[in-house]
Amino acid sequence: DAKTTQPNSMESNEEEPVHLPCNHSTISGTDYIHWYRQLPSQGPEYVIHGLTSNVNNRMASLAIAEDRKSSTLILHRATLRDAAVYYCILINGGTSYGKLTFGQGTILTVHP
Amino acid sequence: DSGVTQTPKHLITATGQRVTLRCSPRSGDLSVYWYQQSLDQGLQFLIQYYNGEERAKGNILERFSAQQFPDLHSELNLSSLELGDSALYFCASSVLGTGVGDEQFFGPGTRLTVL
Repeated sequence: DAKTTQPNSMESNEEEPVHLPCNHSTISGTDYIHWYRQLPSQGPEYVIHGLTSNVNNRMASLAIAEDRKSSTLILHRATLRDAAVYYCILINGGTSYGKLTFGQGTILTVHP
Repeated sequence: DSGVTQTPKHLITATGQRVTLRCSPRSGDLSVYWYQQSLDQGLQFLIQYYNGEERAKGNILERFSAQQFPDLHSELNLSSLELGDSALYFCASSVLGTGVGDEQFFGPGTRLTVL
């Protein structure tokens, strides 16, 4: 599976936008970009996924670079509940089935 | 609440023992996944079942085994336990088990402590 690189940690203030970057320079044409997050003392939670085009859902937006070598998860207005570890994961439907390969993730701290 | 249930929530046992962790997937989900989360290794995929059959295997030790039953619940069996097996064990489920666009829903986990 192609690897992803994320900053170890980021900080934000409540109600401000947060941009969480992910580099995946060895991504293949059939790799999908998935984001999960893990709140303290909970199991991971799906956030969003995409292939080439930018995606929006009720939780966040996913901006994918034109060359697909990087992507950014955007939380439009951070809340204290968004404090979590965010994981950027590549999934190749042809070879990985459903398995998620978690990296270190980015620890997001949200200040009131 | 993800709809995935795991029992027990906590388990304390001794080295050399055997334990069974149980997972009930969301209604309608055919695929079940097991993950292990420890402080030094992070979150690691162990094994995936789809509709009763093993589909993918990760870094699962030979002392560990799993199965998915006809009612789709799954059990993870851990035997000859070692101190290093102490971890959080998560079960997840999804509808298809294809990965792409197939959101996984995680349970609350079972915390295993081996003394």
